[in-house]
Amino acid sequence: KNQVEQSPQSLIILEGKNCTLQCNYTVSPFSNLRWYKQDTGRGPVSLTIMTFSENTKSNGRYTATLDADTKQSSLHITASQLSDSASYICVVSLNQAGTALIFGKGTTLSVSS
Amino acid sequence: EPEVTQTPSHQVTQMGQEVILRCVPISNHLYFYWYRQILGQKVEFLVSFYNNEISEKSEIFDDQFSVERPDGSNFTLKIRSTKLEDSAMYFCASRAQGLWSQPQHFGDGTRLSIL
Repeated sequence: KNQVEQSPQSLIILEGKNCTLQCNYTVSPFSNLRWYKQDTGRGPVSLTIMTFSENTKSNGRYTATLDADTKQSSLHITASQLSDSASYICVVSLNQAGTALIFGKGTTLSVSS
Repeated sequence: EPEVTQTPSHQVTQMGQEVILRCVPISNHLYFYWYRQILGQKVEFLVSFYNNEISEKSEIFDDQFSVERPDGSNFTLKIRSTKLEDSAMYFCASRAQGLWSQPQHFGDGTRLSIL
């Protein structure tokens, strides 16, 4: 069964600290992996999209990694800010068109001052 | 920056009634999607729409659901004979033409509450 599992479920860190969120997937076929940020009460916002041939992709303070062999991905957030408080969702696509997206439950990140 | 807009933000409907959720995608986008998120659960894909027809749909998207692009700007999701379990947040998304790696842009959702 196609599944995307994320850990931890929730995380609290101090402003300015770094953190890493994990995503494991058992999906076939695999086309690409996406990380989204979802603020409370808002729609998801795309952070990165990676194919199986890409190991790392950055978007500002966000850096995603992908190991297609072990089917693991991580999202590293550097120098966290209060505005980083949100749910971070790992999404795996079964096709290039992105019409077959398998969503994880997300990691809820709380950044405190 | 262009946004996907959804209306209403919250819809309360009696069970058995029909609802229409509305979305205005980003103007030059050609691919449109509907997702739902039941409270506390994962986002789930419902349907994708391109060139005025459904390109793909999930098992959730049964005969109770339909989508339409009635004019050049709106994209609607109709739910007939609503059930209690249809209560969820419904997200619309759109994507530009071209590389598949173009991200989907999501609206802020419509919270549907079935009583």
